[in-house]
Amino acid sequence: KNQVEQSPQSLIILEGKNCTLQCNYTVSPFSNLRWYKQDTGRGPVSLTIMTFSENTKSNGRYTATLDADTKQSSLHITASQLSDSASYICVVSEGGSYIPTFGRGTSLIVHP
Amino acid sequence: GAGVSQSPSNKVTEKGKDVELRCDPISGHTALYWYRQSLGQGLEFLIYFQGNSAPDKSGLPSDRFSAERTGGSVSTLTIQRTQQEDSAVYLCASSSGTRGTSTDTQYFGPGTRLTVL
Repeated sequence: KNQVEQSPQSLIILEGKNCTLQCNYTVSPFSNLRWYKQDTGRGPVSLTIMTFSENTKSNGRYTATLDADTKQSSLHITASQLSDSASYICVVSEGGSYIPTFGRGTSLIVHP
Repeated sequence: GAGVSQSPSNKVTEKGKDVELRCDPISGHTALYWYRQSLGQGLEFLIYFQGNSAPDKSGLPSDRFSAERTGGSVSTLTIQRTQQEDSAVYLCASSSGTRGTSTDTQYFGPGTRLTVL
């Protein structure tokens, strides 16, 4: 069964600090991995997408990495802002399937 | 432009009642998904519509759940005889891909929070 595991479950950091969120998956065959940001009361919004051949992708202060050999990804947030407080969801898609597998998310709280 | 909209934003109902949840996808998007997000859980796939093709209903948890999409646009998710375990946020997403590939970006609505008392 395809699985996506995220850690930590929750994280509290001070404004301006950096943080890294982790994602491990067992989805096979692998097609692509996305990181989504979900603000409270909103739907998820795509931050980055990486395919097998890509090992890093940036979107502003967000940088995602992918190691397809170890089936691990990370999302690094630089110089955090209060608006970064949200749930970050790792989503992995299987080759040939349009139904992705979602992780449970990491809840990030940025304090002033 | 307008994004994906869902209504109602919140719905409180009594156990045993039927509910209808509505999704208006982005204009021109042929693919539409319904997901369920329970507290502390990842999004759970429910159903997928692609153009005029027969929907993929493989994620519907029971025959109390059904969905339709009229005219290739608006979709309605119906839950009959609601149970307390149906309480969750129901999210709708649409994408422009015509082949339903996994690289198509899904755009999510804000969700409907359903509470079954």
